[in-house]
Amino acid sequence: GQQLNQSPQSMFIQEGEDVSMNCTSSSIFNTWLWYKQDPGEGPVLLIALYKAGELTSNGRLTAQFGITRKDSFLNISASIPSDVGIYFCAGPPNAGGTSYGKLTFGQGTILTVHP
Amino acid sequence: GAVVSQHPSRVICKSGTSVKIECRSLDFQATTMFWYRQFPKQSLMLMATSNEGSKATYEQGVEKDKFLINHASLTLSTLTVTSAHPEDSSFYICSTQTGSNQPQHFGDGTRLSIL
Repeated sequence: GQQLNQSPQSMFIQEGEDVSMNCTSSSIFNTWLWYKQDPGEGPVLLIALYKAGELTSNGRLTAQFGITRKDSFLNISASIPSDVGIYFCAGPPNAGGTSYGKLTFGQGTILTVHP
Repeated sequence: GAVVSQHPSRVICKSGTSVKIECRSLDFQATTMFWYRQFPKQSLMLMATSNEGSKATYEQGVEKDKFLINHASLTLSTLTVTSAHPEDSSFYICSTQTGSNQPQHFGDGTRLSIL
């Protein structure tokens, strides 16, 4: 099946720094979703991307849907301690599919922010 | 506000016990819900798709007789881990969509620990 390769696996940064993480796939995705998971909780949707080239912001977060439809990145600007958590990219597993139900997840990026 | 409610949040029980986890959609009808499993420091893996009024669809490698899914109403899906063993200890998370073209929202997860 399709796999999402997410990098980096972990990041240790100082408060105030910007963060960038990305996901790539060998297959085309029609939707890219970015989630954040805090310890012991379920993932929370941060940003949803539906069109190639789309650039969407949510506060200090910005995500882009790659033109090739095989990649996406998430940037966090001016990080703060509450940004700590695991960030996942995700998308529907069927190439060219439009169902947003079943999701394939990237391996996750563990973000640690030092005050 | 919350879209999905999951209960219980944590279960600790003896080996051989069967455990039921509930997932409820809040203020909307969910004909389809999804069950994921997440082992420590790993990503979410889809286990099965729960369909209201019909049989669940299981992903490859997931034992349907081990993980019983019931979706008897439009707001409730249950996952029962039958005769649980220590290797079944994991974080179980359900999700659903508020509409067919909407991204998934996740419950807060259930931490299952089998002694």
